[in-house]
Amino acid sequence: SQQGEEDPQALSIQEGENATMNCSYKTSINNLQWYRQNSGRGLVHLILIRSNEREKHSGRLRVTLDTSKKSSSLLITASRAADTASYFCATRGGSNYKLTFGKGTLLTVNP
Amino acid sequence: DADVTQTPRNRITKTGKRIMLECSQTKGHDRMYWYRQDPGLGLRLIYYSFDVKDINKGEISDGYSVSRQAQAKFSLSLESAIPNQTALYFCATSDSPGLAGAETQYFGPGTRLLVL
Repeated sequence: SQQGEEDPQALSIQEGENATMNCSYKTSINNLQWYRQNSGRGLVHLILIRSNEREKHSGRLRVTLDTSKKSSSLLITASRAADTASYFCATRGGSNYKLTFGKGTLLTVNP
Repeated sequence: DADVTQTPRNRITKTGKRIMLECSQTKGHDRMYWYRQDPGLGLRLIYYSFDVKDINKGEISDGYSVSRQAQAKFSLSLESAIPNQTALYFCATSDSPGLAGAETQYFGPGTRLLVL
């Protein structure tokens, strides 16, 4: 079964606005990652946050992690049309280094 | 050149046929993975390999087999394809544990498979 579940399933915003996507998971994790997928292409790693971290930044991306609520959020600031893609959270728990992916949020940024 | 390549990129086949999807990587990673992606279901792990002599089943391995021919090559086979194996298939790699960034996975461009 899926570990991470993204919310919302789809999000449509205007260029320049901020986009926030959420991810909830069920069991304890070592880290949580966010990936981006342009239509029909492979996933690209965006950012990783470890279980002992609460917030992390990378360029226009800001990720938060609340282990008590088993949730994470990905904020994209000042969105651009090129940010249009699906965004997936992936969790890793235990020592096997396998990732479990959620179903994704489809973000559409309108010019 | 792409670090993770998959061949073919698109394939149409008929029920009952044997199909092989190939993955090659130039990243020098030990770990390789095969996933399938279906609309609304996200990515599901089929098989993974942590080194050349190691093969492990993922969550949906039935109907699939794999071969790790070398560190750089990991093939996925459908012995007798069926229509519900129509999906987008991705290969991914990651580095060995203990190294910086080891948890990050690098994906190939995908193979779109249609089983009629």
